[in-house]
Amino acid sequence: NAGVTQTPKFRVLKTGQSMTLLCAQDMNHEYMYWYRQDPGMGLRLIHYSVGEGTTAKGEVPDGYNVSRLKKQNFLLGLESAAPSQTSVYFCASSYSSRENTLLGTDTQYFGPGTRLTVL
Amino acid sequence: QKEVEQDPGPLSVPEGAIVSLNCTYSNSAFQYFMWYRQYSRKGPELLMYTYSSGNKEDGRFTAQVDKSSKYISLFIRDSQPSDSATYLCAMSAGTGNQFYFGTGTSLTVIP
Repeated sequence: NAGVTQTPKFRVLKTGQSMTLLCAQDMNHEYMYWYRQDPGMGLRLIHYSVGEGTTAKGEVPDGYNVSRLKKQNFLLGLESAAPSQTSVYFCASSYSSRENTLLGTDTQYFGPGTRLTVL
Repeated sequence: QKEVEQDPGPLSVPEGAIVSLNCTYSNSAFQYFMWYRQYSRKGPELLMYTYSSGNKEDGRFTAQVDKSSKYISLFIRDSQPSDSATYLCAMSAGTGNQFYFGTGTSLTVIP
């Protein structure tokens, strides 16, 4: 049971390049999330998914797209990378809703992160 | 003004010390309060969870919420080197609302 895994662990891009970050979970979780973590800013939600084939915007969705074609995978895409997207990206998953993680009846499990630098 | 303020530290204490980590917030609607622990190069993991005001204890950890002062704390008793990590507070107003995370406090427990 690997939990939540992220690929790649590190990446350096030039401005304008595109890339896709892959998140995979083997816990049969319905809900998956993408966060970014920046110094002095804390964790911020980019996009999330409440099930296969569905996605929704979080707090900072601009410049990112996501897809959830398979239940176990959640992809985060950057179509035209900008230096402002330099960050550490974390994927998370939970069995039930984000509200339940809020109510303490569930929890979000985080992946190890992807360190992205955009030059 | 940020929704959640957290002193980034770093905080360095000797093994066995009592550690106090704190966050302040501005939104009086926040009711759900969480503490996450994040080891270096790892994702955060939920450590403690509290609803509304009061204290909650779990082993060496105690979470305290003072809604009147808009202040939450995490106390670690008999701190261990394995407690060395970054501690993030998080809070929310309730279901359907977003989480707000603090920036994290870096803690080092020296053997």
